[in-house]
Amino acid sequence: SYVLTQPPSVSVAPGQTARITCGGNNIGSKSVHWYQQKPGQAPVLVVYDDSDRPSGIPERFSGSNSGNTATLTISRVEAGDEADYYCQVWDSSSDPSYVFGTGTKVTVL
Amino acid sequence: QVQLVQSGAEVKKPGSSVKVSCKASGGTFSSYAISWVRQAPGQGLEWMGGIIPIFGTANYAQKFQGRVTITADESTSTAYMELSSLRSEDTAVYYCARGYYGSGRTYYFDYWGQGTLVTVSS
Repeated sequence: SYVLTQPPSVSVAPGQTARITCGGNNIGSKSVHWYQQKPGQAPVLVVYDDSDRPSGIPERFSGSNSGNTATLTISRVEAGDEADYYCQVWDSSSDPSYVFGTGTKVTVL
Repeated sequence: QVQLVQSGAEVKKPGSSVKVSCKASGGTFSSYAISWVRQAPGQGLEWMGGIIPIFGTANYAQKFQGRVTITADESTSTAYMELSSLRSEDTAVYYCARGYYGSGRTYYFDYWGQGTLVTVSS
């Protein structure tokens, strides 16, 4: 099955930039989606199709994808951005069809 | 605006089954791609399977094949996930989520239920 690897944790000071990576074999050929999950809450989609944002998601959230690494970038980090973040891809020919990354805990210092 | 509302928490004995519901409102339920995703305590997200009601056939992750059954009732806009032969490792929060097929020609989850905690304990 397809494996997506994320760093367990990322720490960032308020106002700085957080970058969360998602590694997978030739992930650049797939569309990557990102979710934010705060404690006790359901995940929320923050980036889809590598770099698009759903309505209501701040422009501070952006994404990129190339080669073997996709990246979620959070600019001008705020205390409210502290959460777990997961990448996800879909491939109908794979099992499972939906694969999530291992998750990254973002801590705002 | 799509809303997914799930049934309440459950406590089950090992070896038994649990059935969780997910009632949708807004949009056209029959064309939704409803998936079930679970999250064990302190762990990540894991896709179990999904269904598109208008097609009626569910597909499952191999890991859960034979133990999970996903169905949908178009008359009540409700999807169900039944997991059998429960064991302690199945203790988790179970989410339903709507898969959306975007311009990137892949599915992502744009709406999620609130989650249902299933505890398996003797």
